Amino acid sequence: DTEVTQTPKHLVMGMTNKKSLKCEQHMGHRAMYWYKQKAKKPPELMFVYSYEKLSINESVPSRFSPECPNSSLLNLHLHALQPEDSALYLCASSQHPAGTGGRETQYFGPGTRLLVL
Amino acid sequence: QQQVKQSPQSLIVQKGGISIINCAYENTAFDYFPWYQQFPGKGPALLIAIRPDVSEKKEGRFTISFNKSAKQFSLHIMDSQPGDSATYFCAASPFTGGGNKLTFGTGTQLKVEL
Repeated sequence: DTEVTQTPKHLVMGMTNKKSLKCEQHMGHRAMYWYKQKAKKPPELMFVYSYEKLSINESVPSRFSPECPNSSLLNLHLHALQPEDSALYLCASSQHPAGTGGRETQYFGPGTRLLVL
Repeated sequence: QQQVKQSPQSLIVQKGGISIINCAYENTAFDYFPWYQQFPGKGPALLIAIRPDVSEKKEGRFTISFNKSAKQFSLHIMDSQPGDSATYFCAASPFTGGGNKLTFGTGTQLKVEL
């Protein structure tokens, strides 16, 4: 089973709201990722977690706050977002953590479609 | 140097035809090259991947051709079907020091017409 699940599927929020995106995998993967994807663009890496520790932050604004409560779960907490943050937010996982070398297949979830009003 | 250039941006192919998407890279540290297929409203799904120690990999109707000296690789979809209509992204990641970071191409929107 190579499934990564994400909730919610859709989210509409105002600029003063606080919301969270959730991601879950049960493949025993030890690396998890958050990506942002705008329409007709490739995914852009935001964060990488390795063994539940944040290993890469691609200079993402602090209004995005990731959290990895355990090896199967990844959250992205959202606060005071801007309309330009509207996008598809993708979670992915891979078997081995970042830094152990590339060649690790990343499996993506279906994404959360976020609209910031 | 981190870019992966992908062409064409869009492609229309007749059913049963061959779809060809090309990618080129500069970073010689890249040594893993996956292709992802993405349908509207869905996350990218791994289609096929290649490592530079082989020049070609085939899985069903999908073939990756890899030219290490030219730093180019391409995806061929044989007998293209309407169900293949999607956006295709090539990607690359380095073996070491890259933190398993995928660098994506800009994407190709493929439409297969009846």
